Amino acid sequence: EAQVVESGGGLVQRGGSLRLSCAASEFTFSRHWMSWVRQAPGKGLEWVANINQDGSEENYVDSVKGRFTISRDNAKNSLYLQMNNLRAEDTAVYHCARVRPAAIFVMDVWGQGTTVTVSS
Amino acid sequence: QSVLTQPPSVSAAPGQKVTISCSGSSSNIGNNYVSWYQQLPRTAPKLLIYDNNKRPSGIPDRFSGSKSGTSATLGITGLQTGDEADYYCGTWDSSLSAGVFGGGTKVTVL
Repeated sequence: EAQVVESGGGLVQRGGSLRLSCAASEFTFSRHWMSWVRQAPGKGLEWVANINQDGSEENYVDSVKGRFTISRDNAKNSLYLQMNNLRAEDTAVYHCARVRPAAIFVMDVWGQGTTVTVSS
Repeated sequence: QSVLTQPPSVSAAPGQKVTISCSGSSSNIGNNYVSWYQQLPRTAPKLLIYDNNKRPSGIPDRFSGSKSGTSATLGITGLQTGDEADYYCGTWDSSLSAGVFGGGTKVTVL
């Protein structure tokens, strides 16, 4: 069964940096767009970023542009999210999600998430 | 304020039907496929409906989706206590070049 598992979350001070990782297994990672979606405490889902199969195309929500960078290593079946200049409003559970084939947004495999807490 | 608009909550008795609306614009719902996600308490979201009205393998046909113009609807028939969850619509926004979700709708089984 296809699976993605996130890691790398933690407590960081405002203005600090953190790198999230997502390990994919049981599917051909290099054939799928991949996404990051976050959920602040008590709030709804917020799409953060996605990246295409070979890493040549990236998209971001406006609030993280210039601060976050999504990347992937197909040889390691891994997805990453480099988060710089973190703000209190970035506090959330960050989910890695596989995008369904031939789609750019439909997320059909989700991880349980990793928690990022930004302290002021 | 979410780009897509959903009602905060809906409720119905067991066995009844609920519908959840999702309103957007021409840059998102109007020109892109809609997907729906179920998030049970303290769990990761799960894909329920994709491409407006298709169900992934394993999703019962009690769940249905439709789209008309710049709005989409999720229907749940034969409501069960296990359906109590938050439901989110989502799609691509071609103007923003970004994914967008609705604010979520909490379904309560009375």
